[in-house]
Amino acid sequence: DAGITQSPRHKVTETGTPVTLRCHQTENHRYMYWYRQDPGHGLRLIHYSYGVKDTDKGEVSDGYSVSRSKTEDFLLTLESATSSQTSVYFCAISRDRFNSYNEQFFGPGTRLTVL
Amino acid sequence: AQSVTQLGSHVSVSEGALVLLRCNYSSSVPPYLFWYVQYPNQGLQLLLKYTSAATLVKGINGFEAEFKKSETSFHLTKPSAHMSDAAEYFCAVSVQGGSEKLVFGKGTKLTVNP
Repeated sequence: DAGITQSPRHKVTETGTPVTLRCHQTENHRYMYWYRQDPGHGLRLIHYSYGVKDTDKGEVSDGYSVSRSKTEDFLLTLESATSSQTSVYFCAISRDRFNSYNEQFFGPGTRLTVL
Repeated sequence: AQSVTQLGSHVSVSEGALVLLRCNYSSSVPPYLFWYVQYPNQGLQLLLKYTSAATLVKGINGFEAEFKKSETSFHLTKPSAHMSDAAEYFCAVSVQGGSEKLVFGKGTKLTVNP
């Protein structure tokens, strides 16, 4: 298994509170991604990073920010959590842009509930 | 822009029966195509991928998929379903030439009945 951990694995919080999710990798991969998974929507990309301090938005980035100060860590922050952000969040990594030899590996997920 | 359509959000088969999960893609350039499996309360695991080397791709756990450009399809099959195949399956597309993102379908939940 790819060395990807996510913390916390489960979190319950209240509307309006800030929340930070952490993704940590031991593979030294260049790309890191945050997705959210919701029933009927599959996986949707929130933000991704293509290097330290280099990040870009995905399709559902509103209400989320990210930071990557080290190769191994990618943080996802909900500045003021809302109930619509209740979801399962997955981190993923890939060595480089997709080619014949490259693929994306996923972490175990974080289940976030916003009350 | 690329997109993926998975036909059927739920598929139910009997143990030992053929598994067929459908995926159609849209891409203006040659795609890379992937099938991932997600077991309950777990992350996604790569089943197989198409990268233009061969149109019939074999993956783990006896699954295979065939890339059909004329039909823009990449359906996933397994000749004989096993109870342990019960999971959710996701098709995803990227584009050849250096894309850094995957676009996922909405998933198909497979139930295997004894």
